[in-house]
Amino acid sequence: DIVMTQSPDSLAVSLGERATINCKSSQTVLYSSNNKYSIAWYQQKPGQPPKLLVSWASTRESGVPDRFSGSGSGTDFTLTISSLQAEDVAVYYCQQYYSTPWTFGQGTKVEI
Amino acid sequence: QLVESGGGLVKPGESLRLSCAASGFTASHAWVNWVRQAPGKGLEWVGRIRSKADGGTTDYAAPVKGRFTISRDDSKNMWYLQMNSLKTEDSDIYYCATGWGHMGVWGQGTTVTVSS
Repeated sequence: DIVMTQSPDSLAVSLGERATINCKSSQTVLYSSNNKYSIAWYQQKPGQPPKLLVSWASTRESGVPDRFSGSGSGTDFTLTISSLQAEDVAVYYCQQYYSTPWTFGQGTKVEI
Repeated sequence: QLVESGGGLVKPGESLRLSCAASGFTASHAWVNWVRQAPGKGLEWVGRIRSKADGGTTDYAAPVKGRFTISRDDSKNMWYLQMNSLKTEDSDIYYCATGWGHMGVWGQGTTVTVSS
């Protein structure tokens, strides 16, 4: 199985400041059919299901604010919140969908 | 949207069937995953079923393979997770979510508690 490791486990960021979450896969997740990385990022707020923010490592989903951006290559990926807003307080997960079983990182809790 | 149902309290060794109902889109085209989460813990993929057009076959995570079965009834816009031989460690919130890889639409989840 592909192991996904996120860092840090939690971080506190001031309003308006940048938050950076890292995710490392234990092996390549480069999908040969489209030459894109099979990495998704989700946001989960308390009592709610996860919400897809980013797919293919860097493609932001429709309706997701542009302060959220995904990047990375190889086995290292990053979710950046460029200017943290109060409503961004949540746990963020990365996920690989290169090979089953799909696996998630352990989550990163973002606080103000 | 997706709506899960069927969760509840069962004893170890018993069975339970969860349902996932779709509305607002053509269920027959969808691949559906089941993902579970212990309260306050991380996400664990349980399995998925492909659309009928893509074969309708299933994949499962190792901890549930042989005990859990995912099925679909496109005529009812429904998917199911049949859980047999339940263990205490299967106690989780269970979500259904659409997508062949990344999961774009999620239900609100249904809670399964396995306890004697």
